[in-house]
Amino acid sequence: DQQVKQNSPSLSVQEGRISILNCDYTNSMFDYFLWYKKYPAEGPTFLISISSIKDKNEDGRFTVFLNKSAKHLSLHIVPSQPGDSAVYFCAASSFTGNQFYFGTGTSLTVIP
Amino acid sequence: DTEVTQTPKHLVMGMTNKKSLKCEQHMGHRAMYWYKQKAKKPPELMFVYSYEKLSINESVPSRFSPECPNSSLLNLHLHALQPEDSALYLCASSQLRLANEQFFGPGTRLTVL
Repeated sequence: DQQVKQNSPSLSVQEGRISILNCDYTNSMFDYFLWYKKYPAEGPTFLISISSIKDKNEDGRFTVFLNKSAKHLSLHIVPSQPGDSAVYFCAASSFTGNQFYFGTGTSLTVIP
Repeated sequence: DTEVTQTPKHLVMGMTNKKSLKCEQHMGHRAMYWYKQKAKKPPELMFVYSYEKLSINESVPSRFSPECPNSSLLNLHLHALQPEDSALYLCASSQLRLANEQFFGPGTRLTVL
């Protein structure tokens, strides 16, 4: 049973526009959320994280929003650049527990 | 040094072979992980070592045997694997616990014939 889901397997965006990647989770025990980016033939690279006590965290072009009541988080990339083209995984963890789950991934293509 | 290295990059083995995957980090991280990733699927957590002690075994078959000789090294010993075990095996490390930012290695692409 997939506890963390990304319902869009792929997304295409024009360069300079906003990319919005979405993620839903089912386990209310998750209290820490992360986004990773993965290029082919490389391991995932950490992008940004958010704890459940916040609803927004921003780092440069990347902003993560968390809606706990909806069990939903999103990653906004503004402006999108061609180098952002990769597979993006959200991940959820129980900070005090021993759970860590990756989402199913969204392949982002930024068109020049 | 913020790198996690994994060897070998590619491995082809028969079902009767014994082989090992190796992972190394020199960031002073006290938690290290093994993940398995099948094509078009997310990475799945297999093992977690915290302070060189195995703290999670996500019901992984015994044909996979992890070992943490010291805080910088993590091995995954493979024996009597099945073709369905073919996958990308990723190693990662983090400061302390599972929720911290994890640094991933490039992975070992394993093919079991």
